[in-house]
Amino acid sequence: DIQMTQSPSSLSASVGDRVTITCRATQDVSNYLAWFQQKPGNAPKSLIFAASSLQSGVPSKFSGSGSRTNFTLTISSLQPEDFATYYCQQYYSYPPTFGPGTKVDLK
Amino acid sequence: EVQLVQSGAEVKKPGEFLKISCKASGYSFIYNWIGWVRQLPGKGLEWVAVIYPADSDTRYSPSFQGRVTISLDKSITTAYLQWTSLKASDTAIYYCVRGGEGDYWGQGTLVTVSS
Repeated sequence: DIQMTQSPSSLSASVGDRVTITCRATQDVSNYLAWFQQKPGNAPKSLIFAASSLQSGVPSKFSGSGSRTNFTLTISSLQPEDFATYYCQQYYSYPPTFGPGTKVDLK
Repeated sequence: EVQLVQSGAEVKKPGEFLKISCKASGYSFIYNWIGWVRQLPGKGLEWVAVIYPADSDTRYSPSFQGRVTISLDKSITTAYLQWTSLKASDTAIYYCVRGGEGDYWGQGTLVTVSS
């Protein structure tokens, strides 16, 4: 099975900060990597697929990069609505597997 | 418009049978993987199982193999997840998700197993 790790597990940031979350896979997943945002009480929301492609309707402050085993999600300027938990997920091998999540909260 | 509409919350006792559903609409059901993701209270996301309707290719995560069954009714574009004997540790929210990239999610079904 392909295992996913994320760092940090949590971070505190201020409105306007640039935030970067790292995701690593234990095997090469090519660019079959997605990012999700989840707010308390809500279903997860897809942000990025294919490592760097923005889902329709997702603001351009979100960006993804990377390939094979190393990936990043960047939020260019953190806004109040961005405080949430973020998950990466590989879908190169089925069933897919998630990272443990990164909680972004207000400093 | 793509929609995944899940069945309502369930309260069950240990050892009971349960089958939850996910009605898909607004896209080609046959040619998209569909699956289930579990979220334990206050915890992260875990894939349970996925199925490809066109040929019924089914994949289970190792932790769930033998514990649950994923199935389909293609005639009504509905996916199911069932347990023959629930445990308290199955208490969680279960999300229906389209495709490996997870572009569409259902609203979630809360399953509570308690004696």
